[in-house]
Amino acid sequence: GAGVSQSPSNKVTEKGKDVELRCDPISGHTALYWYRQSLGQGLEFLIYFQGNSAPDKSGLPSDRFSAERTGGSVSTLTIQRTQQEDSAVYLCASSLGGGNSPLHFGNGTRLTVT
Amino acid sequence: QKEVEQNSGPLSVPEGAIASLNCTYSDRGSQSFFWYRQYSGKSPELIMFIYSNGDKEDGRFTAQLNKASQYVSLLIRDSQPSDSATYLCAVKGRNTGTASKLTFGTGTRLQVTL
Repeated sequence: GAGVSQSPSNKVTEKGKDVELRCDPISGHTALYWYRQSLGQGLEFLIYFQGNSAPDKSGLPSDRFSAERTGGSVSTLTIQRTQQEDSAVYLCASSLGGGNSPLHFGNGTRLTVT
Repeated sequence: QKEVEQNSGPLSVPEGAIASLNCTYSDRGSQSFFWYRQYSGKSPELIMFIYSNGDKEDGRFTAQLNKASQYVSLLIRDSQPSDSATYLCAVKGRNTGTASKLTFGTGTRLQVTL
């Protein structure tokens, strides 16, 4: 497809389980971002990949969170030992990577931890 | 102090009026500034970006940037009920090599009344 694709669109998991969220960016986009949005809140930055540079992981809330980007394309965000406070919509975005390049967002994964 | 600050609103304006949305940022070295619109339950979509001091117009939208005051605004002329949404201000920090994350404010909810 032409846009950013995220899967699954919804995920319900039990507290303590691990989850993997996937993002397939727009072809040719070198920059990829993960954000988290809790109900009624703004976008919380998690991690940013730009080409072959070391990722900016400064937003990851704890060591339970990790992300990788394979081959400069698809990215996976992994949350280990999920907690109820991890419940949120996880948004992925990609861009061409230049200073003024806009972010194009996927439809997000709604994660619910019970 | 938050990196990007917005009044959460709601900002209520009558149909046909001008809506004025404001945003301040803390990093004086910030390079680029973006306005996104987010409808309830949907992902953010780009409205416009600005990186030079002054005004930038695109249809009914005008972005205004004042780097000395660390202030960026969005004006919506002839507001329509379909403009009712949350407007997110986003700021791209100074480049460190090629890495530069985009930081979002918490958004201002706009309501356009009939």
